[in-house]
Amino acid sequence: NAGVTQTPKFQVLKTGQSMTLQCAQDMNHEYMSWYRQDPGMGLRLIHYSVGAGITDQGEVPNGYNVSRSTTEDFPLRLLSAAPSQTSVYFCASSYSSGTGELFFGEGSRLTVL
Amino acid sequence: GQQVMQIPQYQHVQEGEDFTTYCNSSTTLSNIQWYKQRPGGHPVFLIQLVKSGEVKKQKRLTFQFGEAKKNSSLHITATQTTDVGTYFCAGDNAGNMLTFGGGTRLMVKP
Repeated sequence: NAGVTQTPKFQVLKTGQSMTLQCAQDMNHEYMSWYRQDPGMGLRLIHYSVGAGITDQGEVPNGYNVSRSTTEDFPLRLLSAAPSQTSVYFCASSYSSGTGELFFGEGSRLTVL
Repeated sequence: GQQVMQIPQYQHVQEGEDFTTYCNSSTTLSNIQWYKQRPGGHPVFLIQLVKSGEVKKQKRLTFQFGEAKKNSSLHITATQTTDVGTYFCAGDNAGNMLTFGGGTRLMVKP
């Protein structure tokens, strides 16, 4: 099993550009989530999904969209990138819900100029 | 909304010294989890505590969950250089969202 796979690992964008961070898991987990990590602020939840076709907002959803068309995939879209979105993004999955052990991907480092 | 505070933010210790990080939630938690993130890596699950007053040990690591289920601690006995990293607590208030603390970065001098 590959676990949770994120692509790309690194990305540089210009302000206003759009992009999609990909996340895939092969553990048949129902719950998937996206976090951003900024220095001294821990991990903040952006969006999460409890199953295919179901998504919901976390603490910091503004500027991001998600969809969950399959159990395996949970892409995160930045519609119009801003410098404040410069961060490290982690995708995480769990067997049942957010209350279970989270398995994290290796992260995607995004810089917005 | 739920807030989870973690102290200290940084801790430098000499190898062999003990280390403790503390976690406090603004609300009562159904459970708390602890994660370790090595420099440049991703968070890795360490443990989950569910019961009031629960204490669990993993080798040199001791985890406690407070009686009121609003605070927790992680204690490392006789630190080693392999313990270097950032330790996060994450609180669950019975929803679908885990709220992470800001983390404690542990640095160990050999």
